[in-house]
Amino acid sequence: QKEVEQNSGPLSVPEGAIASLNCTYSDRGSQSFFWYRQYSGKSPELIMSIYSNGDKEDGRFTAQLNKASQYVSLLIRDSQPSDSATYLCAVIIVNFGNEKLTFGTGTRLTIIP
Amino acid sequence: NAGVMQNPRHLVRRRGQEARLRCSPMKGHSHVYWYRQLPEEGLKFMVYLQKENIIDESGMPKERFSAEFPKEGPSILRIQQVVRGDSAAYFCASSHPRQRNTGELFFGEGSRLTVL
Repeated sequence: QKEVEQNSGPLSVPEGAIASLNCTYSDRGSQSFFWYRQYSGKSPELIMSIYSNGDKEDGRFTAQLNKASQYVSLLIRDSQPSDSATYLCAVIIVNFGNEKLTFGTGTRLTIIP
Repeated sequence: NAGVMQNPRHLVRRRGQEARLRCSPMKGHSHVYWYRQLPEEGLKFMVYLQKENIIDESGMPKERFSAEFPKEGPSILRIQQVVRGDSAAYFCASSHPRQRNTGELFFGEGSRLTVL
């Protein structure tokens, strides 16, 4: 089982709709979760972090965390063409006392005008 | 520009040559991370360094790869005797000491290595 799993997509969403991106993780002890956005050929950029169960909203973005289900998601409301990118879920995984930020393979999102 | 600086942005090497990738962290950041990204794959952790110390190198291949972060100057990821499978984008990230292990990393633009 991969430590952080995402559907690779591509996920196509009409402009103005809600894009829903999902991620599951294997380490039940993980406490810190992140979403990064990566445009093609560019570097990853942190867009959301979440540490507690429930929802966290920031503008058009909402991160949702359910530790019991080991599930974290990202909702993008009122999707814009500029949201087209690969979204990377990242989780801090502890191995042998070392904490490292572990990424999923990413979900490619395309917003259709 | 106070961002994470990586160079070269693009590097072409023939099999058997050496590749050196450099990374200068953001001002005030003393923690450096190297990740490798293969096409259609996620970012894979390679190594975490502080000044003059390797903290976690569990993601580094056992042979040909090494990393350092000297007291002065940039962090360097060195790949000896490159093979075609080393072709990838290598990203450096840095974090502030107070944000150690929070996952809030600032990434450079990456160095894209092509091995012929």
